[in-house]
Formats: sequence, structure tokens, C-alpha cells
Amino acid sequence: SQQGEEDPQALSIQEGENATMNCSYKTSINNLQWYRQNSGRGLVHLILIRSNEREKHSGRLRVTLDTSKKSSSLLITASRAADTASYFCATDAEDDKIIFGKGTRLHILP
Amino acid sequence: EAGVTQSPTHLIKTRGQQATLRCSPISGHTSVYWYQQALGLGLQFLLWYDEGEERNRGNFPPRFSGRQFPNYSSELNVNALELEDSALYLCASSLGTYGYEQYFGPGTRLTVT
Repeated sequence: SQQGEEDPQALSIQEGENATMNCSYKTSINNLQWYRQNSGRGLVHLILIRSNEREKHSGRLRVTLDTSKKSSSLLITASRAADTASYFCATDAEDDKIIFGKGTRLHILP
Repeated sequence: EAGVTQSPTHLIKTRGQQATLRCSPISGHTSVYWYQQALGLGLQFLLWYDEGEERNRGNFPPRFSGRQFPNYSSELNVNALELEDSALYLCASSLGTYGYEQYFGPGTRLTVT
């Protein structure tokens, strides 16, 4: 089964609202990364959070990591139409494998 | 600076044939990763090369193989193609091994008929 599991699978919100996506994983990790994929082609790296960090910000993005609960969340504030995409979390586990979840499909409604 | 490039963009093969996919990393990046993105299965880690050596592989059969060349470009070979190998194959590169963000190419869409 997948190491990373995003929740929800799909999310539709109005433009301007905040979007929150969650990721859970099973084993210990070195770090966790969030990626965005537009139109099923290529991925863009959003943010990396290390296992000893609890929160990171990048522009309108806020990522939290709770290693005790083995979970992470990605918050996109003041959403825009261009944020419509699939979002994936990826864990860099201690066995050196990199595992992606199935992603959350985010749709921003005008 | 050029990003990660992959070729071909699309590849159509018949069941039982072999497919070769190519990836050129960002200049200076020594690590190359391969992923398979099949419908409904998300991204699956395939292979990781660093400094010319295979460092790790995902849960794929041996007919999925590859190599990394001295210039750090990489090739993914899929032998004895099966219908379920149809997917988007993504290549990513990074500066190093641990804790470095990966930069992804646009992918190669492989269709097996």
C-alpha cells in the first residue's frame, strides 16, 4: 500500500477561500515534500519540510508536519484559479525509497 | 537554465516489444529518479540513480531496468511490454541524495497496444 495517502481525494472550493490537504504516512521519514501537477504532465516542487521541522511557509503555502501522528498538511491561502491542479506529498523514507501518494485533485471555482 | 528533458514525448508500442525512454537532468544534478504514473495508481517510484549507480528500486519486475551515463543522463528500458505498462513515465533530477528537492521533466506517455 502507499506510504503517503492524501486526503481528500478531491476538493472544490471557491476562489479566494483556503484549501487544506492532508497527507499521512506509515514509516519514519527523513523529510516530506509537496508537489503540484498541472494537466497530468510534470511535477513542480512546492516545499520540503524536514523531519525535525514542524512548520514551513512559502508565499501562500503553509506546510505542517506532525511526526508523532505521521501526518502533514498543506494549506493554500487565498486560492486562485491557477491553483487548480493535483497535489502530491512525497516521503523520503529511511530505506531511501521515495513514495508518493495518489494526490488530491484541487479545483478552484470562479 | 534548461530543466529536465525527456524523450520521446509519446511512444506507442505493441505488447511484447521493448521501450527505451531517455532523460537529461539539470546541469550539475547527479541524481536521477524514474517514476511511473498509471491511471488511478498515482506516482510509483521505479528507480534511482546517483553517480552512475543504481541506488534503489521500487517494487517493479526486473524487465524494468535502466542506467545512468557518465554525463548523468539516464535511460529507462522496459522489456516484454505489457498492456498495464501504459502510463506516464516521469524523470526527476536532484543535486544530491538526501533532502534535495526533485525537479521533474514533462514525462513520456507510453501506450502499449
